[in-house]
Amino acid sequence: SQELEQSPQSLIVQEGKNLTINCTSSKTLYGLYWYKQKYGEGLIFLMMLQKGGEEKSHEKITAKLDEKKQQSSLHITASQPSHAGIYLCGADIKGSNYKLTFGKGTLLTVNP
Amino acid sequence: SAVISQKPSRDICQRGTSLTIQCQVDSQVTMMFWYRQQPGQSLTLIATANQGSEATYESGFVIDKFPISRPNLTFSTLTVSNMSPEDSSIYLCSVDTGNYGYTFGSGTRLTVV
Repeated sequence: SQELEQSPQSLIVQEGKNLTINCTSSKTLYGLYWYKQKYGEGLIFLMMLQKGGEEKSHEKITAKLDEKKQQSSLHITASQPSHAGIYLCGADIKGSNYKLTFGKGTLLTVNP
Repeated sequence: SAVISQKPSRDICQRGTSLTIQCQVDSQVTMMFWYRQQPGQSLTLIATANQGSEATYESGFVIDKFPISRPNLTFSTLTVSNMSPEDSSIYLCSVDTGNYGYTFGSGTRLTVV
């Protein structure tokens, strides 16, 4: 089974709507990273979370890591077509410092 | 944060041939990482490349198939050898930039025909 479960797999929203993407692990996350990927391209770093209960925001995107450090959510407020893409969570779940495990990604479509 | 230049961005190759992918970083980094992203799948770590030593491969990946070079602290190559259609994927290099997380190259989209 996938060590890092990401949901939903895909999401279609109307421009201006809020949305949330979740990333869940059965093991403690030593570091959680959110990336955005445009189709067929590289990954753009969004945010890094390391402490239980930590929350970070950048423009209209907010990411949280729960107190138990096993689940993270990415929330987009007032979505825009520029937010469309694939959102990936990556995590260090073995305390290895650098071996990241990735979720399968969430494909976000924002309709104008 | 570091900036990575990855080449080529895409290629279509004949089965049985090899392709070498290059990553150039604008600053010195100790470790560079190579990932594969198969269609519809998540990223999988292929190997970790340290300068001055042999790369460390993850389970399921071998040096004969994916030889890696790391001649200095700003450059690395990954070769996909004796390619088959199953090797069609996006290949990405990555470096640890500390507070900015792991920076990724723009990816190489490989299609094997």
